[in-house]
Amino acid sequence: RKEVEQDPGPFNVPEGATVAFNCTYSNSASQSFFWYRQDCRKEPKLLMSVYSSGNEDGRFTAQLNRASQYISLLIRDSKLSDSATYLCVVSPLNSGGYQKVTFGTGTKLQVIP
Amino acid sequence: DVKVTQSSRYLVKRTGEKVFLECVQDMDHENMFWYRQDPGLGLRLIYFSYDVKMKEKGDIPEGYSVSREKKERFSLILESASTNQTSMYLCASRSPHSPGQGSSYGYTFGSGTRLTVV
Repeated sequence: RKEVEQDPGPFNVPEGATVAFNCTYSNSASQSFFWYRQDCRKEPKLLMSVYSSGNEDGRFTAQLNRASQYISLLIRDSKLSDSATYLCVVSPLNSGGYQKVTFGTGTKLQVIP
Repeated sequence: DVKVTQSSRYLVKRTGEKVFLECVQDMDHENMFWYRQDPGLGLRLIYFSYDVKMKEKGDIPEGYSVSREKKERFSLILESASTNQTSMYLCASRSPHSPGQGSSYGYTFGSGTRLTVV
């Protein structure tokens, strides 16, 4: 089983729709979770961290389900500019030094007019 | 904002050539990383460094080496380029401080070098 798994998509959604992606992880010791966004032929950029209590940033909501070992990203009122690949990132938390992070392979979102 | 700069956006090299990919960051971060990204495989860690002159192998170090002589610069070296090293190479930088709720934490990537080995 892969350490981090994502549905590659593509998810084709109309403008204004709500879309959600999940990302499952296999290491129950994982403690830090993030969503990155990667535009075509560009570098990944941090979109948001995922906190235990869930968190929201405008139209974006991230949630963590430890029991089922997955994180989710919900995008409301999709915009054309949301079209990108969304990578989930999982990391164990240790006291310092290097924390090995694992990147998912990404879910591609295409918002269509 | 942290800036991570990779010296080349596109490179074409011949099989057997020695290739240097340079990466510079301007935020005094201790941790620096080299990844390659391939379709369907995602980002795979080649090498990382958590301090000057320190280096650790990642998941796929074979055929690569690195150099960290100065804190701001982390170089990836392909000793003898091969066609299976054709890929997008991404350098990243990160603060080593443990994340906490509300803290700003994460990798900052350079814009990538698309290397083609012919």
